[in-house]
Amino acid sequence: GQNIDQPTEMTATEGAIVQINCTYQTSGFNGLFWYQQHAGEAPTFLSYNVLDGLEEKGRFSSFLSRSKGYSYLLLKELQMKDSASYLCALMDSNYQLIWGAGTKLIIKP
Amino acid sequence: ETGVTQTPRHLVMGMTNKKSLKCEQHLGHNAMYWYKQSAKKPLELMFVYSLEERVENNSVPSRFSPECPNSSHLFLHLHTLQPEDSALYLCASSQLQGSGTDTQYFGPGTRLTVL
Repeated sequence: GQNIDQPTEMTATEGAIVQINCTYQTSGFNGLFWYQQHAGEAPTFLSYNVLDGLEEKGRFSSFLSRSKGYSYLLLKELQMKDSASYLCALMDSNYQLIWGAGTKLIIKP
Repeated sequence: ETGVTQTPRHLVMGMTNKKSLKCEQHLGHNAMYWYKQSAKKPLELMFVYSLEERVENNSVPSRFSPECPNSSHLFLHLHTLQPEDSALYLCASSQLQGSGTDTQYFGPGTRLTVL
C-alpha cells in the first residue's frame, strides 16, 4: 500500500528557517509534489521532485531522497504570509496523487 | 488567480435536496479532477476525467454523480447526501493526466454543509 506522513502542525518565528518533513511508503513512484494552501483558499503548486537532491526556488527549496522515502520543504526568511498548510503529495505508478494530511505552519512575530 | 473557478463557493443543503457543483478551467487543460477535503484529513480523489472521458472513480457513493460535457467544464451532481459528506470539494485541472510532471491547478473549492 501507500502511506504519507507529515507533522500536523509546526510553529516558527518570522525571519527564521523552517523544514517540513514528509516520509512515504509506496510501490510505485513518479514524483513528489509540495503545495501551499492558505485557509479557505485553493492549494497552489510549490515544487516537484522526481530525482534525488535539492531543488531551490527563491525562499523555498525542496529535497528528495527516493531510497529513504523522504522529502522536505525548506522555507527561509519566513514571512507572516507563509502561515498556511503545506501539503505533500506522491504521484504513484498510475500517475495519481496520493496526499498527506498537510502540515499547518504558524508564523509568530 | 482565476485559472480554475468553482461555483458556488458555499452551499448548505438538506439530505433530500439535489444540487450541482460547477467547475470551469481557463487553462486549456485536458484533464479535470474532483477532490474531497475534510478537516485534518488528506485530500481524497473522487473522479478523474481525461479528454472528457472518466478514467478513475475511486469507489465514490452513487449519490455523487460527475459530468464532464467538455474539457473546460466539470460538474458534480449531488443527491440524498449524508451529514458526513460535509466537506470542501475541490476541482483541479492539469495538462495531461498520465505524465509524471503533470501539475494540477486547483479552484478555490465549494464549502458544502449537509444538514
